[in-house]
Amino acid sequence: DAKTTQPNSMESNEEEPVHLPCNHSTISGTDYIHWYRQLPSQGPEYVIHGLTSNVNNRMASLAIAEDRKSSTLILHRATLRDAAVYYCILRDLRGSYGKLTFGQGTILTVHP
Amino acid sequence: DTGVSQDPRHKITKRGQNVTFRCDPISEHNRLYWYRQTLGQGPEFLTYFQNEAQLEKSRLLSDRFSAERPKGSFSTLEIQRTEQGDSAMYLCASSAGTANEKLFFGSGTQLSVL
Repeated sequence: DAKTTQPNSMESNEEEPVHLPCNHSTISGTDYIHWYRQLPSQGPEYVIHGLTSNVNNRMASLAIAEDRKSSTLILHRATLRDAAVYYCILRDLRGSYGKLTFGQGTILTVHP
Repeated sequence: DTGVSQDPRHKITKRGQNVTFRCDPISEHNRLYWYRQTLGQGPEFLTYFQNEAQLEKSRLLSDRFSAERPKGSFSTLEIQRTEQGDSAMYLCASSAGTANEKLFFGSGTQLSVL
């Protein structure tokens, strides 16, 4: 699976927007960009995914660069409950049974 | 939909003992994955089942590790002759059969080998 690069940590204040970057310069045409997050003492949970176009859901937005070599997860108004490790993952569905390959992720700290 | 259930939540054992963990996936999910996570690291893939067939195993899954999914429902992960290096969080995930379906993770079993 292609690799992603994320900052080790980021900080935000409550109710402010958060932009979590991810670089994936070796992305292939069949790689989907997935984001998962892991709250303390829990398993990872799905946040959002996309291929080429920007995506929105109730949790977040995903902005994908035109060349697809980078993407940004946007939390529009951070809450204390958003403090977690955020993982950016490239998922190639060919021959991998849909498994996810996690990196170290970005630790997001949200200040009151 | 009650989510993915893992049992036990915590397990403390002595080096050399055998341990077994259970995972109950979301009903009708035919894909099941096991991961291992150590402190400060992202989860690492161990093995994958489609229904009852174990289709992929990571090199991390040494011969002391065995996983089963009889009848394609719940799964068990057994570690024989545990070592201190086996101490980790063991996570189970399941997904439906469609290609890009999201994975649902359980809360994991925290193993401590003394």
